[in-house]
Amino acid sequence: AQKITQTQPGMFVQEKEAVTLDCTYDTSDPSYGLFWYKQPSSGEMIFLIYQGSYDQQNATEGRYSLNFQKARKSANLVISASQLGDSAMYFCAMREGDSWGKLQFGAGTQVVVTP
Amino acid sequence: DGGITQSPKYLFRKEGQNVTLSCEQNLNHDAMYWYRQDPGQGLRLIYYSQIVNDFQKGDIAEGYSVSREKKESFPLTVTSAQKNPTAFYLCASSIISAVGVREKLFFGSGTQLSVL
Repeated sequence: AQKITQTQPGMFVQEKEAVTLDCTYDTSDPSYGLFWYKQPSSGEMIFLIYQGSYDQQNATEGRYSLNFQKARKSANLVISASQLGDSAMYFCAMREGDSWGKLQFGAGTQVVVTP
Repeated sequence: DGGITQSPKYLFRKEGQNVTLSCEQNLNHDAMYWYRQDPGQGLRLIYYSQIVNDFQKGDIAEGYSVSREKKESFPLTVTSAQKNPTAFYLCASSIISAVGVREKLFFGSGTQLSVL
């Protein structure tokens, strides 16, 4: 069964606007971590943000914030004030329990920022 | 500059041939990983290693082999037993630390493997 679901295959956003990328997850383990990575066309993956299941507050990293709704099992990424350089593929990922090194990734969302 | 170097960027494999993908890091990270990415899909873990001379199978290890003789190097061999090897392969590394920190993976720029 799919552990990480990203329902938006692609989206356009205008420069300087905010965009929300959806991610839902499935786990019965009370301890887990949620991650977002960015993959530009060059291919490398870039870590953006992390949220632990026991964290009380939503994670923020600069223009990135994670809207963590535990009861709904969702971990949406919000990018504020989009820039042209934000055009990339975005992946949500999860670590279950203490499964060291084993991140499970969603299928990704392609974001295109337009001037 | 510190980082992860993968080579070659493009690789072609003939039927029945083993090929080896190189991954070198100078970040002094203890842990290294290999992921496979297929079009329209997320990454899937092939193998990972937390320490020299030790490695663990990931979710899709069949048809692949690795070695970790040096901290800096984690080559991946795609054997002839891997019947569908065409994919984008990403190598990553991380420090060994607390939960949440160790999953901050640093990735290389990948190798695209195609079958002739």
